[in-house]
Amino acid sequence: RKEVEQDPGPFNVPEGATVAFNCTYSNSASQSFFWYRQDCRKEPKLLMSVYSSGNEDGRFTAQLNRASQYISLLIRDSKLSDSATYLCVGDFGNEKLTFGTGTRLTIIP
Amino acid sequence: DAGVTQSPTHLIKTRGQQVTLRCSPKSGHDTVSWYQQALGQGPQFIFQYYEEEERQRGNFPDRFSGHQFPNYSSELNVNALLLGDSALYLCASSATGSETQYFGPGTRLLVL
Repeated sequence: RKEVEQDPGPFNVPEGATVAFNCTYSNSASQSFFWYRQDCRKEPKLLMSVYSSGNEDGRFTAQLNRASQYISLLIRDSKLSDSATYLCVGDFGNEKLTFGTGTRLTIIP
Repeated sequence: DAGVTQSPTHLIKTRGQQVTLRCSPKSGHDTVSWYQQALGQGPQFIFQYYEEEERQRGNFPDRFSGHQFPNYSSELNVNALLLGDSALYLCASSATGSETQYFGPGTRLLVL
């Protein structure tokens, strides 16, 4: 079983819709979690860190449930520019990042 | 303030050859990590360098080796290239005590 698992998609949603991504992890010794965004043929860029208390950054909300070993990302009022691959990432110690396979999102005009 | 830089941007090699990829970390960062990203997959951790030593390593064979220099820049070397080594190689840098890693643009390696 992979340490970090996420639905690869693709997710095709209309502009303005709300979309949610989920991710599960198997290593209970996990330290920190993140969502990274990767545009086609570009490097991953940090979107936001994920905390148990939940955190929000504009239209983006991330949530961590340690009991269920589950991470989520919610995007409200989606824009065309949100089209990208979203990578769920765990730091299981010493800043070694473990990535999921990524979820591909396409926003349709 | 320059971000993480990598060279070359693209590289074509043949099976059995050796390759060296280079990375300069973001200013103020002392830790460099290398990742391999195959097509359609998430990045996979290769190893991490701190204070010129390999601090930890992922599940990659000894054909993959690296080095960190006193100025914190780093090299990734791959010997005896295989077709399966074709991938995007990403370098990420971070500062001690920070959980945030910043990625370079990557080197796209094609092995024929």
